[in-house]
Order: sequence, then C-alpha cells, then structure tokens
Amino acid sequence: EVQLVESGGGLVQPGGSLRLSCAASGFTFSDHYMDWVRQAPGKGLEWVGRTRNKADSYTTEYAASVKGRFTISRDDSKNSLYLQMNSLKTEDTAVYYCTRVDSSDWYFDYWGQGTLVTVSS
Amino acid sequence: DIVMTQSPDSLAVSLGERATINCKSSQSVLYSSNNKNYLAWYQQKPGQPPKLLVYWASTRESGVPDRFSGSGSGTDFTLTISSLQAEDVAVYYCQQYYNIPLTFGGGTKVEIK
Repeated sequence: EVQLVESGGGLVQPGGSLRLSCAASGFTFSDHYMDWVRQAPGKGLEWVGRTRNKADSYTTEYAASVKGRFTISRDDSKNSLYLQMNSLKTEDTAVYYCTRVDSSDWYFDYWGQGTLVTVSS
Repeated sequence: DIVMTQSPDSLAVSLGERATINCKSSQSVLYSSNNKNYLAWYQQKPGQPPKLLVYWASTRESGVPDRFSGSGSGTDFTLTISSLQAEDVAVYYCQQYYNIPLTFGGGTKVEIK
C-alpha cells in the first residue's frame, strides 16, 4: 500500500524557516518524481514544486511564488522527500501535501494527509 | 502559465441527478505527438487530501465508480457525475500537467439539494 506521511509543520514567525519531511512507503520511491502542493485555509490547491528522479538528475522546479525561498530535496536511501522553507511569509500559511507523480505519466496519483504550516507573529 | 477556470463555483444537485462541472484552460493541453490531453480531475472531501478521479481527461482511475466520467479536448473539459450519491459531496478540481508550473482550477463545490 502506498503511503506518504508528512511531518514538520507548525507555527513559525514571518522571516523564519521550517523543514518539512515526507516519509514514503509501499512503492519504489527512487523511480518517481515527487511534488509538493499546498492549500491555504479555505482556498484551492497550489503547486509548490517538484524533484525529479535520479534518471533525470534530481532536477527541481518551483512555483514563482516560492522560487529562491524554498528548496526541495530527496534522500532515496531513506525514501524521504523534504521541503526547506526559508524567509517565510504569512501567505505561505497552508497545508502542505506531499504527492507522488505517476511514473509514466505526470498526474498526482497519491497524496499524503498533509501538514499545516502557520506563519504568524 | 496555463490558467484553469472552473464553473460553476458551486452547485447543488438532488440525489440521483446529474452533476456537471466545467473546466477551461487558457491554452490547449492536448499534446499533438500522442494525442493526449494532459488534464486530471481530483475530488477533495472535507478534512481529506485530494484523490485522483480521472487522468488524460477521460481515463478513470482504478476503483473510481463509473458514475464519474471525464470528457473534452484541447481547452474545454467536463467532469460528469451521472447519478449523484451522498458520498460525492466534495470539492472537485481540474489540473493541467501539460507544462510547468502545474496549475489547478479554483474548485467546484458539489452539495446535495
């Protein structure tokens, strides 16, 4: 059974940093691209960014709203995905979901339960 | 960026009746080399993460009831629930995966009338 479990969310002040983790199980993690998607309270879904797999050199992509502040990384030996968030703003407040990208196509076929990040003073 | 526009924002449908949700992209998401539309639909129930319903605009994900169907091509797409059930109350999102940045529609809330 595919499982994605996020952790690391919490309350942080504007300008602060936070690192989210996503523990994956039930599939060959190293084969897949992995993305982060967020959802502000009561709002819609916003793509945050992607890390590709080893075959595609672990390259990353980011939404314009987070580029230069957020960094996505992965550790295939630990079946883990990370999101390092720096210079946090109040508008970064959201539930952050770890998602698996289908291995041969590009849609999100599995989502974690999400972790809430609140940026507030 | 490809802008995804959903309509309506919300709709109320009687149990057993049809629900239709529309999604329009600001540019075509049909890739000519493989004739596939890079369009997915997700269902999000309250307090839960989104769940994949349909990909390639019309392919139902395994385990999704056949009352859910996707259609359309190019820039105009539709998700239809043929006979609404109580468990279908949710917000539905379309999403393009044609290019980065990946983008979602604003969501359509489906309720029981």
